[in-house]
Amino acid sequence: ELKVEQNPLFLSMQEGKNYTIYCNYSTTSDRLYWYRQDPGKSLESLFVLLSNGAVKQEGRLMASLDTKARLSTLHITAAVHDLSATYFCAVDWGSTLGRLYFGRGTQLTVWP
Amino acid sequence: DTGVSQNPRHKITKRGQNVTFRCDPISEHNRLYWYRQTLGQGPEFLTYFQNEAQLEKSRLLSDRFSAERPKGSFSTLEIQRTEQGDSAMYLCASSTPRRGTEQFFGPGTRLTVL
Repeated sequence: ELKVEQNPLFLSMQEGKNYTIYCNYSTTSDRLYWYRQDPGKSLESLFVLLSNGAVKQEGRLMASLDTKARLSTLHITAAVHDLSATYFCAVDWGSTLGRLYFGRGTQLTVWP
Repeated sequence: DTGVSQNPRHKITKRGQNVTFRCDPISEHNRLYWYRQTLGQGPEFLTYFQNEAQLEKSRLLSDRFSAERPKGSFSTLEIQRTEQGDSAMYLCASSTPRRGTEQFFGPGTRLTVL
């Protein structure tokens, strides 16, 4: 079965700093998704990465996908408090209809 | 496009009782998924439907769990003889081929089994 590992699981960072969250997965896939979840809320789609080398940016977040390394990164630039949330990567593998395998999530706290 | 809706949002029940949750997908989304999320974990796949057909079930979906999508629109997830280990957030998601495999999630139903 596909394994998806995220690190770090907990990240506390100061506003204005940069950091990268890593997502490794165990089996070849070229479809990877990043979601954001606020406490007690559902998942909000952030990025859809569908090919090797895909890079997408939205505001202070940038996601990339390296299918050969089975690695995706979510880079945070000049963090602000509003980015505090839990971020999940999810991989679609072995199904044409999109069964997703999720990592455990990275709980990000941005402090002043 | 009103988003995925789920009802109820919260459910507290006693062990051994049956519960049923409802999910209304985004209009015209023909694919519907159920996931379960426990504290500190990512969502885990339970089952999915294409139209009214249930095409895959996870091993997590024991005999006490059943899901239906009778007319290819809304779906229900029933848990019989609930156990404390069933306490979790139950998430529903939907997708459409026009948006590839991107899934849109509902707000979830939080189940607490006492």
